[in-house]
Amino acid sequence: QKEVEQNSGPLSVPEGAIASLNCTYSDRGSQSFFWYRQYSGKSPELIMSIYSNGDKEDGRFTAQLNKASQYVSLLIRDSQPSDSATYLCADETGFQKLVFGTGTRLLVSP
Amino acid sequence: SAVISQKPSRDICQRGTSLTIQCQVDSQVTMMFWYRQQPGQSLTLIATANQGSEATYESGFVIDKFPISRPNLTFSTLTVSNMSPEDSSIYLCSVAYRDSPRWNEQFFGPGTRLTVL
Repeated sequence: QKEVEQNSGPLSVPEGAIASLNCTYSDRGSQSFFWYRQYSGKSPELIMSIYSNGDKEDGRFTAQLNKASQYVSLLIRDSQPSDSATYLCADETGFQKLVFGTGTRLLVSP
Repeated sequence: SAVISQKPSRDICQRGTSLTIQCQVDSQVTMMFWYRQQPGQSLTLIATANQGSEATYESGFVIDKFPISRPNLTFSTLTVSNMSPEDSSIYLCSVAYRDSPRWNEQFFGPGTRLTVL
């Protein structure tokens, strides 16, 4: 059974700082990872996908994957109060099915 | 990405009754899934909705409790049967496009918030 672990937080950062969110996974053979953002009372929204070791940047977001250490991270630069949400890390188990971590709650203070 | 709608958006039901949740997509998608998110918890996959055949259920979920239909490439239903308060949860459908460059990315509907009394 694949597992994805995340620190539940909350992670508190001041506005303008870099928020760093981390996730570890159990299956060394996993290939595809996803970061979702979920505002309270809303459904998850896909932020980024990453499949290769290294960094992938999209605007203020950078996803990092290290398969040797089995961790995935998401960096949010110039954090804004509107980034305050729960961030979910997901691992694809095969046949496009996803296993989610419990999520990290991010609080960005003005 | 697709526009995904779910009906109802929320409902309050009595113990022992059943509720059918609909998921409609505005374009043809390859894969449709149903997830559950219990209060304060993360998402758990219930099943993959297969077009024209029986759904594929994950461990801990059975067809008698969560019957699923998918008559075509844009529509699926999930029924929560013989409900108990433990079924109170948010139920979400998601879709993916196998034939697109971002083929394994999933997009979620707005969810159905179910409360069972």
